[in-house]
Amino acid sequence: EAGVTQFPSHSVIEKGQTVTLRCDPISGHDNLYWYRRVMGKEIKFLLHFVKESKQDESGMPNNRFLAERTGGTYSTLKVQPAELEDSGVYFCASSQVRGAEAFFGQGTRLTVV
Amino acid sequence: DQQVKQNSPSLSVQEGRISILNCDYTNSMFDYFLWYKKYPAEGPTFLISISSIKDKNEDGRFTVFLNKSAKHLSLHIVPSQPGDSAVYFCAASASGSARQLTFGSGTQLTVLP
Repeated sequence: EAGVTQFPSHSVIEKGQTVTLRCDPISGHDNLYWYRRVMGKEIKFLLHFVKESKQDESGMPNNRFLAERTGGTYSTLKVQPAELEDSGVYFCASSQVRGAEAFFGQGTRLTVV
Repeated sequence: DQQVKQNSPSLSVQEGRISILNCDYTNSMFDYFLWYKKYPAEGPTFLISISSIKDKNEDGRFTVFLNKSAKHLSLHIVPSQPGDSAVYFCAASASGSARQLTFGSGTQLTVLP
């Protein structure tokens, strides 16, 4: 069974550009989460999907971040326009049952220069 | 304001000895606690969890202890092996939330051969 996969693994973009991160959860997992780790600090929650619906987006930093999960399968996280402080590692996680442990992808390292 | 704190950024232990990683939390609504292990360039991997109705959970070499009155949990690894060298994250969630995880900042464990 394939795990959670994220694409790209690395992205270097200039300030003001747009970047789209993709996450493919484990098949059958309705719950999909986005997290971010900045500067080696704690991993912080961004948002949670249940199927295609946003259940909680309280962790989204601002309106430059847009997450979608069309059809309840894969999810995208778009940053537009990117700022220097958006640099970090973006993790996606999925779980079959709310409350069960989540499985994480390998992360996308975003560097904004 | 960090709700989950790992006050030791690093820990070195001799192979075969016990590793004890500590975690403190402030939010009394947390009722489920997890430990994740993370290798470089990989996503966090679930290790072990404990519900607030228990005070101990054991899985092979790994044991998690929960002291609710002190809002403290610890992960014991015995015996420690060089392959255990990784960053360990403590995480917590509350049943009233969407089971989003609140992470600590991690502890780098180095097991010396």
